Amino acid sequence: AQSVTQPDIHITVSEGASLELRCNYSYGATPYLFWYVQSPGQGLQLLLKYFSGDTLVQGIKGFEAEFKRSQSSFNLRKPSVHWSDAAEYFCAVGAGNTDKLIFGTGTRLQVFP
Amino acid sequence: DAEITQSPRHKITETGRQVTLACHQTWNHNNMFWYRQDLGHGLRLIHYSYGVQDTNKGEVSDGYSVSRSNTEDLPLTLESAASSQTSVYFCASSKGQGLGYTFGSGTRLTVV
Repeated sequence: AQSVTQPDIHITVSEGASLELRCNYSYGATPYLFWYVQSPGQGLQLLLKYFSGDTLVQGIKGFEAEFKRSQSSFNLRKPSVHWSDAAEYFCAVGAGNTDKLIFGTGTRLQVFP
Repeated sequence: DAEITQSPRHKITETGRQVTLACHQTWNHNNMFWYRQDLGHGLRLIHYSYGVQDTNKGEVSDGYSVSRSNTEDLPLTLESAASSQTSVYFCASSKGQGLGYTFGSGTRLTVV
């Protein structure tokens, strides 16, 4: 069965610092991988996705993520964090002939000025 | 502009009552989903539909039902509300496999 692990429940960074949020998945074949962001009281917004091809994918708001098959990881990165990036981030995996997504438990990002 | 809307945004109901949460999308997406979000659990799939008259159970479907009579709507019904169903409910739609979801703004349901 597919599963997603986000090891970090809460991360705090200073504004301007670099950011990496970890995501590990479990699936036998090549999965579809997604990162979503949720601001307080809002729904989830798609940041980026990996479907196939280039393993480094660019998303909105200056985010990128790299698919590493050997490590079963899809970590999210941003070179310089802005205060407006404070939110909760969810990694999700989908696979096979289904459109169902399995979500991780989320990482809450706090940004200090 | 196309959108996906959920109503109500907030609801308080009593244990044992039947409750229906609405989800309406104008994206013309065939695929629609209901998730619940709880602290420490992330989002868990309740029910989903790949088209009119198609409905399927997710991992936490007990006590919930859905129906799909048209492309735009997927209402979620709690047959007899329980305190364990206090949660934030999100509806989402998708154009197809691997393309990602568009989410509604959520419904916060409290069962007292």
